[in-house]
Amino acid sequence: EVQLVETGGGLIQPGGSLRLSCAASGFTVSSNCVSWVRQAPGKGLEWVSLIYSGGSTNYADSVKGRFTISRDNSKNTLYLQMNSLRAEDTAVYYCARWGNWENAFDIWGQGTMVTVSS
Amino acid sequence: QSALTQPASVSGSPGQSITISCTGTSSDIGGYNYVSWYQQHPGKAPKLMIYDVIKRPSGVSNRFSGSKSGNTASLTISGLQAEDEADYYCSSYTSSNTRVFGGGTKLTVL
Repeated sequence: EVQLVETGGGLIQPGGSLRLSCAASGFTVSSNCVSWVRQAPGKGLEWVSLIYSGGSTNYADSVKGRFTISRDNSKNTLYLQMNSLRAEDTAVYYCARWGNWENAFDIWGQGTMVTVSS
Repeated sequence: QSALTQPASVSGSPGQSITISCTGTSSDIGGYNYVSWYQQHPGKAPKLMIYDVIKRPSGVSNRFSGSKSGNTASLTISGLQAEDEADYYCSSYTSSNTRVFGGGTKLTVL
């Protein structure tokens, strides 16, 4: 079964750091474009970052310079390192696969909640 | 990286049809046929309903259809059913090689 499972969310103080993980099964992360998308409480979806199969990355302006996307091919896992966290980063963070044939996010994880608060 | 523009809410009665619009720019919707639509029920992850403007993934009802004209894409749901009540989001590839979502539309089935 093709699946994504996020972990690593939690409560963190402003200015702190957190690393999210997204374990993939049923497909190979390194052969696909995979992304992070977040959703603040009661708000809409916001695209955060992506990493292509070739390793190139891109970020939303709101997180550029603070967040880093990466992957571990041996663990078939995607990561999001989040530094200098702000209250406005509070959200459910989803990882999602950008389909090779469908130019869209075809597979989504269940999400992990990140709360930035003192 | 401004969000795409969607109406905050739409409603319809069972059996009716509704259309949700999604307006962007020539740098996203107008420039590429990589528009997608997602359905999200409360507390759940989004689900892909339409991709490449008009295509449906396997398993998605043919009551869902997509279209595009210029910088505006649309999602039409025909034969509304109670289970269609959810939030709907459009998304597009952009000229900056990023992705952008709409603000979301809450569909109420009366």
